[in-house]
Amino acid sequence: EDQVTQSPEALRLQEGESSSLNCSYTVSGLRGLFWYRQDPGKGPEFLFTLYSAGEEKEKERLKATLTKKESFLHITAPKPEDSATYLCAVQAPGTGNQFYFGTGTSLTVIP
Amino acid sequence: GAVVSQHPSWVICKSGTSVKIECRSLDFQATTMFWYRQFPKQSLMLMATSNEGSKATYEQGVEKDKFLINHASLTLSTLTVTSAHPEDSSFYICSAQGVGNQPQHFGDGTRLSIL
Repeated sequence: EDQVTQSPEALRLQEGESSSLNCSYTVSGLRGLFWYRQDPGKGPEFLFTLYSAGEEKEKERLKATLTKKESFLHITAPKPEDSATYLCAVQAPGTGNQFYFGTGTSLTVIP
Repeated sequence: GAVVSQHPSWVICKSGTSVKIECRSLDFQATTMFWYRQFPKQSLMLMATSNEGSKATYEQGVEKDKFLINHASLTLSTLTVTSAHPEDSSFYICSAQGVGNQPQHFGDGTRLSIL
């Protein structure tokens, strides 16, 4: 069965302390891997799409990378406003347009 | 670009009432729209997938007669919670996706409280 696992469940960082979030997947024939940010009481906000192993995308303090089994979301010198839940999702062939979501990593950045 | 508007953002109503939630893609054509339910501190639970002009495909365990989904155009989908009861209280989120391997873009959700 296709699965998406995110770790850690929760992460507390001091402002400026860089770290990485992990998303491992077991889908066969990845069509796309997507990262989202979700603030409390809001819908997820799209961050990145990665389609093939070796691909990288960057946006401000965030950088997403992809291998054949996992993706990392690297956060460099985070600020308190980066505090949110980060979700990853994968799209596999044969499932129509359905995404499989991980359970997310709740990030808290302390000033 | 890729803005999805969901309305209303918050609704409180009495048990037995039907509630309609709208989801609109404002600047792109959404060939597929999704409806999710999210419980506190949990991830998104897919309820149904709809393609424009077709009947929605519901996930196992989701009552199609309770949660009516209409996707009448490439920019609008609606979810109607019929005869709502307190156990239907939740955070409902829609998303819209264009053609191909495009990301889903989400609305800001609707907080539904049934008294």
